[in-house]
Amino acid sequence: EAQVTQNPRYLITVTGKKLTVTCSQNMNHEYMSWYRQDPGLGLRQIYYSMNVEVTDKGDVPEGYKVSRKEKRNFPLILESPSPNQTSLYFCASSLSLKQGNGYTFGSGTRLTVV
Amino acid sequence: QKEVEQNSGPLSVPEGAIASLNCTYSDRGSQSFFWYRQYSGKSPELIMFIYSNGDKEDGRFTAQLNKASQYVSLLIRDSQPSDSATYLCAVKGERSGGYQKVTFGIGTKLQVIP
Repeated sequence: EAQVTQNPRYLITVTGKKLTVTCSQNMNHEYMSWYRQDPGLGLRQIYYSMNVEVTDKGDVPEGYKVSRKEKRNFPLILESPSPNQTSLYFCASSLSLKQGNGYTFGSGTRLTVV
Repeated sequence: QKEVEQNSGPLSVPEGAIASLNCTYSDRGSQSFFWYRQYSGKSPELIMFIYSNGDKEDGRFTAQLNKASQYVSLLIRDSQPSDSATYLCAVKGERSGGYQKVTFGIGTKLQVIP
C-alpha cells in the first residue's frame, strides 16, 4: 500500500529533551515536507526537501532540523524542544512539483512539550 | 496579509443540499489549486485539483477556478453527513529556483445536518 508512515503518533516530552519524529514514504516521491498544524493558523511549512541531500527552510523552521540521506526517509529533529512546539505535525510527500501533483500526508504526530 | 484565505466556518448545510466552499489567494502567479478534506483527528486527503479557469467535476465534487478574480471554490452536490469535515484550500505558486511553494488556507469546517 502506497503510504507515508510517521512515528510516533503521540509523544509527550519535557523541555530540552532531544527528539526525532520519523517519516518514511514507499512511493519513490522526490519531494517531502514537514508541516505543523495549529488551531487558527492552519498548516505551516517547517522544512522541505526536493531530493536526497537537498533541504530548505519553510515558513517556521526555528527550533527544527531535518535531513534527507535517503529518498524514502525525512526525519524531523527537535534538538531542544520547548512548549511552543506543542503541535500536530504532518509529514507529506509528492511525486514531483509538476501541476496536479498534490501531497500524500502521513497520519500525523501529536507532540506535547511540558 | 494571509496568502490563502478561507472562512473557518462552520458552514452548516442540510443533507442533500449543495455545499459551497470558497477560497481566495493573493499571488497572481499561482499555478495549481488543490482541495483537501480533513476529518477530525485525521490527516488531510487530496480530493480535487484544478489549474485551468473554469470548472472541473469529479463525482459529487466540482472545483471552480477564476484566476482573474483570484478565487477558487469547491461545490459538493447532494451533501451527505459523511462529508462533514474541514476542507483545506491549497495553492501552489510559481516555480522559483526549482521550488514551488504550497500554501494552505486555515480550512472551512463543513457540517452536514441529517
